Amino acid sequence: DQQVKQNSPSLSVQEGRISILNCDYTNSMFDYFLWYKKYPAEGPTFLISISSIKDKNEDGRFTVFLNKSAKHLSLHIVPSQPGDSAVYFCAASYTGNQFYFGTGTSLTVIP
Amino acid sequence: EAGVVQSPRYKIIEKKQPVAFWCNPISGHNTLYWYRQNLGQGPELLIRYENEEAVDDSQLPKDRFSAERLKGVDSTLKIQPAELGDSAVYLCASSFRGTNYGYTFGSGTRLTVV
Repeated sequence: DQQVKQNSPSLSVQEGRISILNCDYTNSMFDYFLWYKKYPAEGPTFLISISSIKDKNEDGRFTVFLNKSAKHLSLHIVPSQPGDSAVYFCAASYTGNQFYFGTGTSLTVIP
Repeated sequence: EAGVVQSPRYKIIEKKQPVAFWCNPISGHNTLYWYRQNLGQGPELLIRYENEEAVDDSQLPKDRFSAERLKGVDSTLKIQPAELGDSAVYLCASSFRGTNYGYTFGSGTRLTVV
């Protein structure tokens, strides 16, 4: 049973525009959420996180929004750059240790 | 500082053969994880260690998979015998216990069973 879902397997965006990646979850116990970025032949790398006590967290060009009532989070990248092209995974946890991952969204930023 | 180191990077074996993967976590990280990532899927936890103790191995297929972390530092994941469906990327990750900053992943071992 997939507790974390990323329903868009791929997304293409023009350089300079906004990229919005979405993630939905089913377990209301989840209280911590992460986004990871993965390049080919590399392991996922931590990008940004948000706790359930917040609804927004910003780090440079990256902002994560959390809507607990809808069990939905999104990652906004503004402005998008070609180097942002990668697979993005969202992950959720309620134990602080085990994270459940979505299936990933492949972002392509077109120069 | 070196990150999480995994070897080998790639492995191709015939079905029914054994295979082992090695992971050296970041120094000082007491929690170590093995994840499996199938093509087009997100990583799925196989086993989690706190120091040398396996605290969550509920998703490890114990009939053919085994893992150890004898001294609470590096770890080995073994499959014996391998099946075609075991083809995947095996990721190791480590963290400080209870961290809210997620894990640091290694580059993974891509296993192909033919």
